[in-house]
Amino acid sequence: EDKVVQSPLSLVVHEGDTVTLNCSYEVTNFRSLLWYKQEKKAPTFLFMLTSSGIEKKSGRLSSILDKKELFSILNITATQTGDSAVYLCEAGGTSYGKLTFGQGTILTVHP
Amino acid sequence: KAGVTQTPRYLIKTRGQQVTLSCSPISGHRSVSWYQQTPGQGLQFLFEYFSETQRNKGNFPGRFSGRQFSNSRSEMNVSTLELGDSALYLCASSDQGNNEQFFGPGTRLTVL
Repeated sequence: EDKVVQSPLSLVVHEGDTVTLNCSYEVTNFRSLLWYKQEKKAPTFLFMLTSSGIEKKSGRLSSILDKKELFSILNITATQTGDSAVYLCEAGGTSYGKLTFGQGTILTVHP
Repeated sequence: KAGVTQTPRYLIKTRGQQVTLSCSPISGHRSVSWYQQTPGQGLQFLFEYFSETQRNKGNFPGRFSGRQFSNSRSEMNVSTLELGDSALYLCASSDQGNNEQFFGPGTRLTVL
């Protein structure tokens, strides 16, 4: 059975700190790993990663995938209170439509 | 493009009743996935439909069923509701089902 594990489960930091969120996966015929941010509503897409070693960046957020070690990290630099959310990692294989979510990391950024 | 819409947004039912939730995907998207989200279990995959066919199913009992119509709109049905079915039900659409998904606002179901 496919499995996605995120760590830590929760994290409390102060504005300006840098955080690293982890996601490890075991997925049959892995194809892609996606990161989402969920505030008090539905998840919104951040990144999709399919190739090892290629960093994706969007402002203060960046993510990279290691297909050999089966994990991905999401970095957030110079955190702001607006970064407080649940960050979800989702992995899918070549079996269309079958995507598995991790349990999420709750990030709280204090002013 | 309009986003993914779900109706109703909130629902209160009692044990034993049944419920039908609706999801309209982004125009042009043919894949619709359903998820159950609870504080204890996180996001759990229910099933995915593509061109009116169920392609994948998660580990939920047969009380949970769904269907997709020719216009890609999807419905999810839960029969014989149990207290543990109280959750946020999210649907997500994508063009093929294995890439970026766009989520609807969810339906908050409370079973009393």
